[in-house]
Amino acid sequence: DIQMTQSPPTLSASVGDRVTITCRASQSISIWLAWYQQKPGKAPKLLIYKASSLESGVPSRFSGSGSGTEFTLTISSLQPDDFATYYCQQYNSDPYTFGQGTKLEIK
Amino acid sequence: QVQLVESGGGVVQPGRSLRLSCAASGFTFSSYGMHWVRQGPGKGLEWVALISYDGSNEHYADSVKGRFTISRDNSKNTLYLQMSSLRAEDTAVYYCAKGRGSGAGAVDYWGQGTLVTVSS
Repeated sequence: DIQMTQSPPTLSASVGDRVTITCRASQSISIWLAWYQQKPGKAPKLLIYKASSLESGVPSRFSGSGSGTEFTLTISSLQPDDFATYYCQQYNSDPYTFGQGTKLEIK
Repeated sequence: QVQLVESGGGVVQPGRSLRLSCAASGFTFSSYGMHWVRQGPGKGLEWVALISYDGSNEHYADSVKGRFTISRDNSKNTLYLQMSSLRAEDTAVYYCAKGRGSGAGAVDYWGQGTLVTVSS
């Protein structure tokens, strides 16, 4: 099974900051990676698919990059609505594993 | 608009069975792969199962293989998850989710979730 490791587990930042979350796969997954945002008590929301494709309706301050085993999610200028937990997921091969999550907190 | 509405959750004793349903609307259900994803209390997301658009392929997490069965009825626009031999560690909110393609792929829509509690 492919293991997905996110870092950091928790990130403290301020409105306006540029932040980056990293996701590493235990073996190559090409570009078959998605990023999701989840707020407490809500279902996750798709942000990025195929490593760098922005889902329709998602603000352009979100971007994804990477291929193979290392991927990043970048938020260019944090907004109050962005404080949430972020998950990566690989869909290269089953089981389609998620990372353990990164909680983005207000500093 | 896309809607996914789960039902069937509740409290069940260890070792018993439960079937979850997900009613889909707002898209051509028979064209897309469908997933179940769960989230234990205070925990992260765990992918559970995927079924292809026509039901010909199924994939499962190791933690549920042999105990859970995913199925679909394209004539009723409904996804199912039959869960048997339930364990305390299966306690979670179970989300029905739509894939972006006909098989494996990112999940672009999620239901609101249904809570399954396994407890004696």
